[in-house]
Amino acid sequence: GAVVSQHPSRVICKSGTSVKIECRSLDFQATTMFWYRQFPKKSLMLMATSNEGSKATYEQGVEKDKFLINHASLTLSTLTVTSAHPEDSSFYICSAIPHRGGSLNYEQYFGPGTRLTVT
Amino acid sequence: GESVGLHLPTLSVQEGDNSIINCAYSNSASDYFIWYKQESGKGPQFIIDIRSNMDKRQGQRVTVLLNKTVKHLSLQIAATQPGDSAVYFCAERETSGSRLTFGEGTQLTVNP
Repeated sequence: GAVVSQHPSRVICKSGTSVKIECRSLDFQATTMFWYRQFPKKSLMLMATSNEGSKATYEQGVEKDKFLINHASLTLSTLTVTSAHPEDSSFYICSAIPHRGGSLNYEQYFGPGTRLTVT
Repeated sequence: GESVGLHLPTLSVQEGDNSIINCAYSNSASDYFIWYKQESGKGPQFIIDIRSNMDKRQGQRVTVLLNKTVKHLSLQIAATQPGDSAVYFCAERETSGSRLTFGEGTQLTVNP
């Protein structure tokens, strides 16, 4: 149980275009999802917290107009990189927190990541 | 083999040896700590966690030690195997929230 998927696993896009990455919780509902960015040989950096039905909370230094996050349902959050540039090339990872009954389990389950390459 | 602080991001050990991976954290408000394993091109995989009211927790072949006095966390892997080769991250979480802050990571290489 507690499986998180991401689609696509790899994507190559041209500079100036936009690309959407999906994060799905397959066997649980998630009111909260997180988006991370990871550069080669570096740690995971939290970009934003995505809450179902409300606006995402972005970390300091992350441009909300460039990284659009939509959490339209309890099992899906999307990250859209708008007007992508080569410096946006990175490994993007999402995670989800299951919502069980009336209490929250704060354990995060991670997706497999999406490798974005902007040419 | 043992990694020392955050200034030695790589650790190389022989198969069968015990490995010790260290992590320093800075937030006194953190009450929950997790170790993750990340293989190349994949997302982090949960290994073991520990709450701040504990000093030690054991799993299968892994042990996590927490020293709150010096804000230090370590992961011990017994009888390290080639399949243990990966990057290991510690992460901390504050009492009041759900956000995780990740450490810099240590690349563990197990030589056969």
